[in-house]
Amino acid sequence: DAKTTQPPSMDCAEGRAANLPCNHSTISGNEYVYWYRQIHSQGPQYIIHGLKNNETNEMASLIITEDRKSSTLILPHATLRDTAVYYCIVRVGDRDDKIIFGKGTRLHILP
Amino acid sequence: DGGITQSPKYLFRKEGQNVTLSCEQNLNHDAMYWYRQDPGQGLRLIYYSQIVNDFQKGDIAEGYSVSREKKESFPLTVTSAQKNPTAFYLCASSIRGTENYGYTFGSGTRLTVV
Repeated sequence: DAKTTQPPSMDCAEGRAANLPCNHSTISGNEYVYWYRQIHSQGPQYIIHGLKNNETNEMASLIITEDRKSSTLILPHATLRDTAVYYCIVRVGDRDDKIIFGKGTRLHILP
Repeated sequence: DGGITQSPKYLFRKEGQNVTLSCEQNLNHDAMYWYRQDPGQGLRLIYYSQIVNDFQKGDIAEGYSVSREKKESFPLTVTSAQKNPTAFYLCASSIRGTENYGYTFGSGTRLTVV
């Protein structure tokens, strides 16, 4: 079973920041949080990952709470092309690299 | 450019026939994975392989078979024993043993049983 919980869908106005939450209350100390997104009928695309500290790259920012039980993916200026399903994933561990996907959050960007 | 190639993009199969989906990567990744996705659902793990000549069952391996004879290739056979094979199939690869790399996915194969 997936170790994360996400809302099934969210709306965001174009040009505004999209904040996607994820709960991972049973995360272990050496597990990372990864975010992927899947545009319709394509393979998922890696966005960002982090362990404890907040992370930022050209696509998004990742905010992880101090207790690491939840995180938020931020798309700073959402565009229509950001419409996709976003998956929050906790990495299982070094000895077994398989990733378990939940159902993700379907993000709708409204024009 | 490095990446993962899945072929074909669309595949039609008659009920009762076996069919093999191709997955090739030139990223020099150690691990490879097969996922199945049904409409409106997340991804479910079928099989994965962390090294050549070794693979493990995922959550829904029944009715599927794989081989890993080369590092670059991880073909998936959907057998006639798979009761509901119509789905979107995704192949992925990753480097083992480091958190610094995520998965790289192929563009998928949509299989339809007719």
